[in-house]
Amino acid sequence: SAVISQKPSRDICQRGTSLTIQCQVDSQVTMMFWYRQQPGQSLTLIATANQGSEATYESGFVIDKFPISRPNLTFSTLTVSNMSPEDSSIYLCSLATSVGSDTQYFGPGTRLTVL
Amino acid sequence: AQSVTQLDSQVPVFEEAPVELRCNYSSSVSVYLFWYVQYPNQGLQLLLKYLSGSTLVKGINGFEAEFNKSQTSFHLRKPSVHISDTAEYFCAVDMNTGFQKLVFGTGTRLLVSP
Repeated sequence: SAVISQKPSRDICQRGTSLTIQCQVDSQVTMMFWYRQQPGQSLTLIATANQGSEATYESGFVIDKFPISRPNLTFSTLTVSNMSPEDSSIYLCSLATSVGSDTQYFGPGTRLTVL
Repeated sequence: AQSVTQLDSQVPVFEEAPVELRCNYSSSVSVYLFWYVQYPNQGLQLLLKYLSGSTLVKGINGFEAEFNKSQTSFHLRKPSVHISDTAEYFCAVDMNTGFQKLVFGTGTRLLVSP
């Protein structure tokens, strides 16, 4: 399986600021996904990011709040904009090696705390 | 809406005892089923998956799960747990729509004590 890294691994941010999280994969993958894991809760899909097209957001998530870039087949970023304490979560990227692939592989996550 | 239910938020067990973590899903269509494990301060690791075929699926670290279509369940089992199995376990469902959208359960924390 691909090796996935995320930067930063954790951060503490002030209310009203923005943070960009990077997800790097060591091989080319078609589909990448961004999830949020709020404290004590399960994972919720934020959006699907495919190279060469706009990200597809799930209900409850909007591009203005969580802009996503996917400039190539090995890299994606998620920005958490105008942060509030409610945005404190672990943010994880995942990938599927191809369209129709049956399995997603997850990165180590970025632990974000907003004060 | 599709959903995944993990009834047990926490399961305490002694080392070398057997364990079963329960997962039920709601869907009227064919699904793919997954169990992921999250060790403290780490990302998710795939334990096992059911796509089709044999309903008994074996995964890593001695875990196995059985798909029961009539009961819409996919319970995870291990005959003898180790201290190192202490982690959060997530059941997930892909509704096999081709869009690869995983719906996760709320997780079960397995606490193994000596």
